[in-house]
Amino acid sequence: GQQVMQIPQYQHVQEGEDFTRYCNSSTTLSNTQWYKQRPGGHPVFLIQLVKSGEVKKQKRLTFQFGEAKKNSSLHITATQTTDVGTYFCAGRSNYQLIWGAGTKLIIKP
Amino acid sequence: ETGVTQSPTHLIKTRGQQVTLRCSSQSGHNTVSWYQQALGQGPQFIFQYYREEENGRGNFPPRFSGLQFPNYSSELNVNALELDDSALYLCASSRGGLTTGELFFGEGSRLTVL
Repeated sequence: GQQVMQIPQYQHVQEGEDFTRYCNSSTTLSNTQWYKQRPGGHPVFLIQLVKSGEVKKQKRLTFQFGEAKKNSSLHITATQTTDVGTYFCAGRSNYQLIWGAGTKLIIKP
Repeated sequence: ETGVTQSPTHLIKTRGQQVTLRCSSQSGHNTVSWYQQALGQGPQFIFQYYREEENGRGNFPPRFSGLQFPNYSSELNVNALELDDSALYLCASSRGGLTTGELFFGEGSRLTVL
């Protein structure tokens, strides 16, 4: 069936380092969304990408949709403790939103 | 604060029982979708309701059913509970049916099946 892959599930970074996560789909997506879930919380919408090759920025976060609309990426510049959480990508295919397993960003002490 | 409220926040049931979870959508939203999130996993789509009709369903058995009311609030019912049904159940409201964009999630209902 349709799948959205996000690996690895955990990533440890030093505060101040950059963080990049990729999301790959087995099928072409009509759009892709990114969400952030803090520990014990619910997913919170970050961005939606619709066009092939689209790039959007939110302060230190940069999101990109691949040319083939099968993959996307999230890049965080100079991570801060407030960035801690699990980042999910979700791709829309055949009207259904398919979620990746998420990548948990952990800041090393 | 998303304006989406879910109840109850936590509940414990035993295998074979039935459960009803409730969700009030954000004002102006006509679409509600339900997700199951097991520990350490991403949300799994259960189904979606648009203007009181189910218009999308994930890979869940028929014992997972739902309703949407005229005020666009919604219920998720699960019959014949199994241990694997233990999870966080998330409700999300949005506008626009199956082509909807941003989802606004509630805090979730954490179900434990013993």
